[in-house]
Amino acid sequence: QVQLVESGGGLVKPGGSLRLSCVASGFTFSDYSMTWVRQAPGQGLEWLSYISYRHGSTNYADSVKGRFTISRDTAQNSLYLEMNSLRAEDTAVYYCARRLYENSAYHGFDIWGQGTMVTVSS
Amino acid sequence: EIVMTQSPATLSVSPGERATLSCRASQSISTNLAWYQQKSGQAPRLLIYRASARATGVPARFSGSGSGTDFTLTISSLQSEDFAVYHCQQYINWPLTFGGGTKVEIK
Repeated sequence: QVQLVESGGGLVKPGGSLRLSCVASGFTFSDYSMTWVRQAPGQGLEWLSYISYRHGSTNYADSVKGRFTISRDTAQNSLYLEMNSLRAEDTAVYYCARRLYENSAYHGFDIWGQGTMVTVSS
Repeated sequence: EIVMTQSPATLSVSPGERATLSCRASQSISTNLAWYQQKSGQAPRLLIYRASARATGVPARFSGSGSGTDFTLTISSLQSEDFAVYHCQQYINWPLTFGGGTKVEIK
């Protein structure tokens, strides 16, 4: 079935780095734009980053611009989020999600992974 | 940045009753709005996109309306499985932004 599975979360010290992965299955990964969204404990959803399917163009939230890098490997059906200079406020569950494309227009995110927890603490 | 404001923060509803959730954008977003349902410990689930289109597999009791800056998600007759947090999201401009969420709880 259509599925996204994240991995790579864990405990990291402030200033440290982490690389999250998201493996896609059940659909043609190369045909879809993808995104990362996070949710701090007890808080709402925060969009972080986006990569388009066609040219691999990227967008970032100001809160992570210059520190996080999104990338994809279509041969591995994988999406990545490289996170550097991590701060306590980056502590959250990180979700990857697929963007819905229908009738020649982009919409919300129709498939989500289960999330991976990142804790930034000394 | 477009700010999305959801109200109320918490909505207490009895099973079988109607629930009406609001989402307001700080500037016009046409119909570039999605609604998500999130149950405790789970990932969000897309319910509505393009302000009023139901996503695949979403029951007909969920409906969305609105355009411009004011949007509504209506659950016509609440079932036990509908008690959750609901988020709205605009996708017309970068950065994409979410509202703070509305928690629908059992009255």
